[in-house]
Amino acid sequence: AQRVTQPEKLLSVFKGAPVELKCNYSYSGSPELFWYVQYSRQRLQLLLRHISRESIKGFTADLNKGETSFHLKKPFAQEEDSAMYYCALGGGETSGSRLTFGEGTQLTVNP
Amino acid sequence: GAVVSQHPSWVICKSGTSVKIECRSLDFQATTMFWYRQFPKQSLMLMATSNEGSKATYEQGVEKDKFLINHASLTLSTLTVTSAHPEDSSFYICSASHRDRAETQYFGPGTRLLVL
Repeated sequence: AQRVTQPEKLLSVFKGAPVELKCNYSYSGSPELFWYVQYSRQRLQLLLRHISRESIKGFTADLNKGETSFHLKKPFAQEEDSAMYYCALGGGETSGSRLTFGEGTQLTVNP
Repeated sequence: GAVVSQHPSWVICKSGTSVKIECRSLDFQATTMFWYRQFPKQSLMLMATSNEGSKATYEQGVEKDKFLINHASLTLSTLTVTSAHPEDSSFYICSASHRDRAETQYFGPGTRLLVL
């Protein structure tokens, strides 16, 4: 069964500090991992995908299959990064694969 | 590009009535659309997956007759909550995946349903 765990519901850091949002997954197949972000009063939007290995808004995430983790990191947090972050796991075998979401982590970046 | 809209953005209805929520992909053809439900301060729970022109696939525990899903075209899917009850009150979110980038879902803004 697919499962995504985000152990921290709330995370608070100061501006300029490094931030890491943890995500662990459980999946027997070949995983596709995503990070979605939801800013206040806005819709959920894709932040990054592990397969593209790109950096968006200074965020990066590396898939660690040995630790079954996909932690989201940013070296210097900004106030505008304050949002709800969801880690999601997709199966990848078929088109339009369903996603399993973690519980989410509310990040607050204090000035 | 890849914009998904939902209508209405919020709705209040009486217990026992049915409510229809529309999900549209505005600038792309969505081969697959997904319907989620989100309770306050909780994650998104997938309710069903619908492919254009075929029956929706419902997740375990989701009543097919309660939550009717229709995906009649590549740009429109509807979710009808039949005989709504107060426990159906929730935030319903749809997403759509593009034919050429099937692994990425684009989300609608959500519909807040309140059943009195």
